[in-house]
Amino acid sequence: EDQVTQSPEALRLQEGESSSLNCSYTVSGLRGLFWYRQDPGKGPEFLFTLYSAGEEKEKERLKATLTKKESFLHITAPKPEDSATYLCAVLSSSARQLTFGSGTQLTVLP
Amino acid sequence: NAGVTQTPKFQVLKTGQSMTLQCAQDMNHNSMYWYRQDPGMGLRLIYYSASEGTTDKGEVPNGYNVSRLNKREFSLRLESAAPSQTSVYFCATYPQGRGTDTQYFGPGTRLTVL
Repeated sequence: EDQVTQSPEALRLQEGESSSLNCSYTVSGLRGLFWYRQDPGKGPEFLFTLYSAGEEKEKERLKATLTKKESFLHITAPKPEDSATYLCAVLSSSARQLTFGSGTQLTVLP
Repeated sequence: NAGVTQTPKFQVLKTGQSMTLQCAQDMNHNSMYWYRQDPGMGLRLIYYSASEGTTDKGEVPNGYNVSRLNKREFSLRLESAAPSQTSVYFCATYPQGRGTDTQYFGPGTRLTVL
């Protein structure tokens, strides 16, 4: 059974204070690992897909990395508008649907 | 280009009432999904449809039925609502091909069952 665990559950940062969110996973053959951003009252919005260990992707202040057991979402010099819940999900070679973690709620204080 | 739309946005039901949540997409994607999201539990798959004319159970299908009306529309029906079905429901679509390998989500339906 595929499993995804995200940590921490909640994170409060000062504006400009860089940090990382963790997504640990257990799958029987990884087809892809996905990061989403979710704002209150809205649906998840796609950020990145990573396919193999060592892969990295960047978008503005966000950088996602992948190892064989976990993925990190690094946030550099965050701004208040980066406040949201960040979701991680995996798609295994044996499954036809995504398995989601419970998310990390990020708050960036001005 | 509206992407994925869901109706209604909010709904309050009494225990035992029935209702249908509607989802429509204009992205020509083959696969469509219904999730529920509860605090601390992440997104859980209820049902999905890999293509028009097919549907399959997900992780939490009990108490729900689905219909893939055509390629654009995928509805979720609660025949006899229960308080445990109070949740936020999201519809999502999934295109083919590695280059666009992600799910696209609708804005959600907030359902309260009293």
